[in-house]
Amino acid sequence: KAGVTQTPRYLIKTRGQQVTLSCSPISGHRSVSWYQQTPGQGLQFLFEYFSETQRNKGNFPGRFSGRQFSNSRSEMNVSTLELGDSALYLCASSLDGQPYNEQFFGPGTRLTVL
Amino acid sequence: DAKTTQPNSMESNEEEPVHLPCNHSTISGTDYIHWYRQLPSQGPEYVIHGLTSNVNNRMASLAIAEDRKSSTLILHRATLRDAAVYYCILYNTNAGKSTFGDGTTLTVKP
Repeated sequence: KAGVTQTPRYLIKTRGQQVTLSCSPISGHRSVSWYQQTPGQGLQFLFEYFSETQRNKGNFPGRFSGRQFSNSRSEMNVSTLELGDSALYLCASSLDGQPYNEQFFGPGTRLTVL
Repeated sequence: DAKTTQPNSMESNEEEPVHLPCNHSTISGTDYIHWYRQLPSQGPEYVIHGLTSNVNNRMASLAIAEDRKSSTLILHRATLRDAAVYYCILYNTNAGKSTFGDGTTLTVKP
């Protein structure tokens, strides 16, 4: 069974631009969660999607948004990029997003904002 | 959100057991305890999880205190490949989101 894939793996943008990251979950998984990882803040939860609906959201500004498609693939978008948005963005898929099931993480997308 | 506290770093010798502690004194009754580990330049990898009872799998064991305010991840025989950052996470049934701690960097010495 193929794992979680994220594209692109690396991305360089400049301040003020916007970016879209993509995540393909494991086949059959309907829940996709997004995390931001930085050296200073560690791993922080962004949001979770289940059956095309945002089910949970972390404490991030509205510049961070996402969506999920009918095939469970998910995208996250960051608008008006700031230098502080430079981070590793991780996507995790789960069968149904319930806490009694494990999450499977992708390799991440490394975003650098100049 | 309930938070977890872990030691910043721990060292172990190869082929010896390792006990990685995690404190979660504000855990709620619906919080599951998950452990993940992350190797450099990789996404986190699932290790084990539990709610109230101790759990075992092929990778590790999870010992949960009776009051659930702490837990310990046990690697029975550490190998060099176990060197990673280990995260103790509370995953809430109601909120459905994970709260990551700062993690423990495990160094395994040959």
